[in-house]
Amino acid sequence: EILLTQSPGTLSLSPGERATLSCRASQSVNSGRLAWYQQKPGQSPRLLMYDASSRATGISDRFSGSGSGTDFALTISRLEPEDFAVYYCQQYGSSPVTFGQGTRLEIK
Amino acid sequence: EVQLVESGGGLIQPGGSLRLSCVASGFTVNSNYMSWVRQAPGKGLEWVSVMYSGGVTYYAGSVKGRFIISRDNSKNTLYLQMNNLRAEDTAVYYCARDVAVNNYYFYMDVWGKGTTVTVSS
Repeated sequence: EILLTQSPGTLSLSPGERATLSCRASQSVNSGRLAWYQQKPGQSPRLLMYDASSRATGISDRFSGSGSGTDFALTISRLEPEDFAVYYCQQYGSSPVTFGQGTRLEIK
Repeated sequence: EVQLVESGGGLIQPGGSLRLSCVASGFTVNSNYMSWVRQAPGKGLEWVSVMYSGGVTYYAGSVKGRFIISRDNSKNTLYLQMNNLRAEDTAVYYCARDVAVNNYYFYMDVWGKGTTVTVSS
């Protein structure tokens, strides 16, 4: 089972700043099969990115994903108030699919 | 509109059983991979089970032998039968539509709002 470790646990930034969230896998993720989800308090997760760098339908181009192998990142170019949430990565290159523990992005 | 609505959660004693339902609209359950994902209070996401469009099923090790995923095509509904429940099964349970990759792997593109299961005496 692939273990995904997200860092930092909490990221404190101000609106307008750039955010970079990391997701590191315990072994290589086949074919860059990594997704990112956003979850706001009291809501269900929402798909942001898939295949490491492809944006899901309706997702702002302020969100971008990168990485391969064991190291992946989600970047939010200019933080808007609605971006402050918890973000999870998920790998689907090996069975079982697994999630990271999440990064909380909070307003500084 | 594509939508998933879960129901069936509640308070149940350890060792008890519960069946969750997930009604889909805007798409057909049996044409898609469908998963259950849970989230314990204050914790992250944990994949629980998947049913492929062809009917093949898989389970996380933590629930294998206790949970059963199924579907009713006539009702366009996915189910999760949960038996021999434990305190550690306490969580919000989400139903999700999966995007299949290479006929085996998947990620989730549509999520329901979830239903809460509390296992406690």
